[in-house]
Amino acid sequence: DSGVTQTPKHLITATGQRVTLRCSPRSGDLSVYWYQQSLDQGLQFLIQYYNGEERAKGNILERFSAQQFPDLHSELNLSSLELGDSALYFCASSVDSGVYNEQFFGPGTRLTVL
Amino acid sequence: AQSVTQPDIHITVSEGASLELRCNYSYGATPYLFWYVQSPGQGLQLLLKYFSGDTLVQGIKGFEAEFKRSQSSFNLRKPSVHWSDAAEYFCAVGARNTGNQFYFGTGTSLTVIP
Repeated sequence: DSGVTQTPKHLITATGQRVTLRCSPRSGDLSVYWYQQSLDQGLQFLIQYYNGEERAKGNILERFSAQQFPDLHSELNLSSLELGDSALYFCASSVDSGVYNEQFFGPGTRLTVL
Repeated sequence: AQSVTQPDIHITVSEGASLELRCNYSYGATPYLFWYVQSPGQGLQLLLKYFSGDTLVQGIKGFEAEFKRSQSSFNLRKPSVHWSDAAEYFCAVGARNTGNQFYFGTGTSLTVIP
């Protein structure tokens, strides 16, 4: 158990809908990362937050947004969903914002868009 | 552009045999290098990391990796594989001077046969 929690575990929705994925980092970690894992794209870095502020942005679509709240939990919002958004979404956390840090991964949220 | 290549999509080894998983990266400076393992249905777990110094790094579960700057490689090795090592292995690069970007390879799936 990494100490990172993600809810829900599974999510099934329809095209055009909007969903919110939630992540609670390990106790004491200030940085949260979001990743998308799909068969065709592999593991893609989406975005990083550090202590409530956006720190780095990767291959995140404009239809996707994220935020980190004062209690350090984070939410990833996916809107106007398409079939291709079906994937496993991971959250990870680390103690600070440096790229040298070990990231602790949650178990993921599996999103299925029908 | 930065990239990480894992040329072997799938590797099968016998239990007790040695293992080497290949990773090549493309980056303008010395990156931060990581190997993560993903067991079925789980999130990723850090095996080891390299930042600087001794080019041979030891990790958990008996794994080691060697950084070779001249070959832009960071191959993962284990002298004797156990059945429990069957998993997906990801090489990753943390790129400091491109805004804290993280790049993962496409992964190598390891099957261990008795």
